[in-house]
Amino acid sequence: GQQVMQIPQYQHVQEGEDFTTYCNSSTTLSNIQWYKQRPGGHPVFLIQLVKSGEVKKQKRLTFQFGEAKKNSSLHITATQTTDVGTYFCAGSASGTYKYIFGTGTRLKVLA
Amino acid sequence: DTAVSQTPKYLVTQMGNDKSIKCEQNLGHDTMYWYKQDSKKFLKIMFSYNNKELIINETVPNRFSPKSPDKAHLNLHINSLELGDSAVYFCASSERQGWRNIQYFGAGTRLSVL
Repeated sequence: GQQVMQIPQYQHVQEGEDFTTYCNSSTTLSNIQWYKQRPGGHPVFLIQLVKSGEVKKQKRLTFQFGEAKKNSSLHITATQTTDVGTYFCAGSASGTYKYIFGTGTRLKVLA
Repeated sequence: DTAVSQTPKYLVTQMGNDKSIKCEQNLGHDTMYWYKQDSKKFLKIMFSYNNKELIINETVPNRFSPKSPDKAHLNLHINSLELGDSAVYFCASSERQGWRNIQYFGAGTRLSVL
């Protein structure tokens, strides 16, 4: 079945450093979403990417969807303590309702 | 007003018991989901209903039975609870608009089976 892996599993950074998490799917995706889960919280939608090679920015966050639509990345510039949490990608094949969540990357930011 | 609300927030119970978790959404969405998040934070889809019809049914023990009385509610009943059922269970809802299918999650129900 479809699998979505993320690396790294954990990342500790100093406040102000950059951070990147990578998402790889075993199958071609129709679209990919990114969610953030704060410690003790629930996943919250960040963005959706649909087109091959698409790049979207949200303030310090940059999201990319690979040309082959099998991978994606999230880059955070100059991390802040408010960026702490687990970042999940979620991929859908063939535009179905079913999204397979990635394994997640847990980010800790040291002040 | 909470968009997706789950009750209870915490559930502590003995092995072998039967328990239910309730979920309600006031967003007017037509699709609802149940996810299980284990201790390693892996988030796995269990079930999904669209307009009260079961559309996703992952490989889940048949001790788990979802029920959707209407499109605003999706409950999860678990029979004969086992230690391995301990996890956080999240309910979510979405409204599909073209490619967009943003899921809104509830706060979660932390189930501990002793």
